[in-house]
Amino acid sequence: TQLLEQSPQFLSIQEGENLTVYCNSSSVFSSLQWYRQEPGEGPVLLVTVVTGGEVKKLKRLTFQFGDARKDSSLHITAAQTGDTGLYLCAGERNRDDKIIFGKGTRLHILP
Amino acid sequence: NAGVTQTPKFRILKIGQSMTLQCAQDMNHNYMYWYRQDPGMGLKLIYYSVGAGITDKGEVPNGYNVSRSTTEDFPLRLELAAPSQTSVYFCASSPLGPGSNEQFFGPGTRLTVL
Repeated sequence: TQLLEQSPQFLSIQEGENLTVYCNSSSVFSSLQWYRQEPGEGPVLLVTVVTGGEVKKLKRLTFQFGDARKDSSLHITAAQTGDTGLYLCAGERNRDDKIIFGKGTRLHILP
Repeated sequence: NAGVTQTPKFRILKIGQSMTLQCAQDMNHNYMYWYRQDPGMGLKLIYYSVGAGITDKGEVPNGYNVSRSTTEDFPLRLELAAPSQTSVYFCASSPLGPGSNEQFFGPGTRLTVL
């Protein structure tokens, strides 16, 4: 059973379009993180959300933590080819718990 | 700062061989982790360490061993390589515990067992 379900698994869209990817669970998480991973490299942290309903913006990327702290979304406005990569969500259910990773959404932005 | 470094970048092993994947960090982080990433899957935690001399099992520890004699180094040992251990291995470190702070990842070691 995958504790963190990410959807869609793959997404290919044209440059300039908007998109949203999701990270869902039946469990409550004390925090969720979003990472981006490019081919041949390790993941790099984009954001951490800790409060239910929290919204964080990172330039064209908007992250939201669900009110019940069971899900999160990542919205990209006017996607660019540089946004191409694997987006991983990760979370911990309790403060000192180990981080659990989802399988990721592989995003491909077409020029 | 070099951050987290891993060696080698690539390795091919025969079944039954052994090897050590090296990981070092120069950020003075207490926490260090080893993950494996299989195609289409997320990261699975193999072992982690909360400080020098302290290690603990993660989700998929079987077939692996670790040691943490210094703050900087956290090597991962494969004793009897099996095809199921073909994967990309990532080492990571963080200044505090999981979730409360950022994990910094190395570039990975791509291991093939034939």
